[in-house]
Amino acid sequence: EDKVVQSPLSLVVHEGDTVTLNCSYEVTNFRSLLWYKQEKKAPTFLFMLTSSGIEKKSGRLSSILDKKELFSILNITATQTGDSAVYLCAVELNTGFQKLVFGTGTRLLVSP
Amino acid sequence: DGGITQSPKYLFRKEGQNVTLSCEQNLNHDAMYWYRQDPGQGLRLIYYSQIVNDFQKGDIAEGYSVSREKKESFPLTVTSAQKNPTAFYLCASSKARQGQGELFFGEGSRLTVL
Repeated sequence: EDKVVQSPLSLVVHEGDTVTLNCSYEVTNFRSLLWYKQEKKAPTFLFMLTSSGIEKKSGRLSSILDKKELFSILNITATQTGDSAVYLCAVELNTGFQKLVFGTGTRLLVSP
Repeated sequence: DGGITQSPKYLFRKEGQNVTLSCEQNLNHDAMYWYRQDPGQGLRLIYYSQIVNDFQKGDIAEGYSVSREKKESFPLTVTSAQKNPTAFYLCASSKARQGQGELFFGEGSRLTVL
């Protein structure tokens, strides 16, 4: 069974802290890994990773994939209260359509 | 602005009633999806459609039905056969070709069965 596991399930940090969110996976036919941010309702796209060791970066957020060890991390530096959200990790399978397997998410709360 | 519109945002239903959730997109995407989100669980795929007049079951299709008569629209009907319908429902769309990666999501519809 294809599985995506995120950790921690939730965490609380102070503004300015750096956080690392983890995503590990066990899937039969990997194509890519995606990170989404879900603040209230609609998840919004952050990154798509397909190759190991290549960091994707957008402002204070960055992410990297390790296809040998089957995991990815999402880093957020100098956190702000606006970073409070649920962060979803999903693995796209190499099937005949765009099949995503989602983790349960990490709920991040950044306190002022 | 292009995007996905879901309605209603909140819906209450009595047991035994069917309800239909609307999903409309103006992104000119070929593929559309319905996911269900429950507390403590990841998003789970209900149905997907890669092209007009064609759709396929996802991982948890029992108790649901869909139609795809127009490219822009992909309504989901939650039937009385769905045993635990209370959930948050998300509609998404993407370019049809695999590897485009990004799914665009609507704001969701929260269904509560009384």
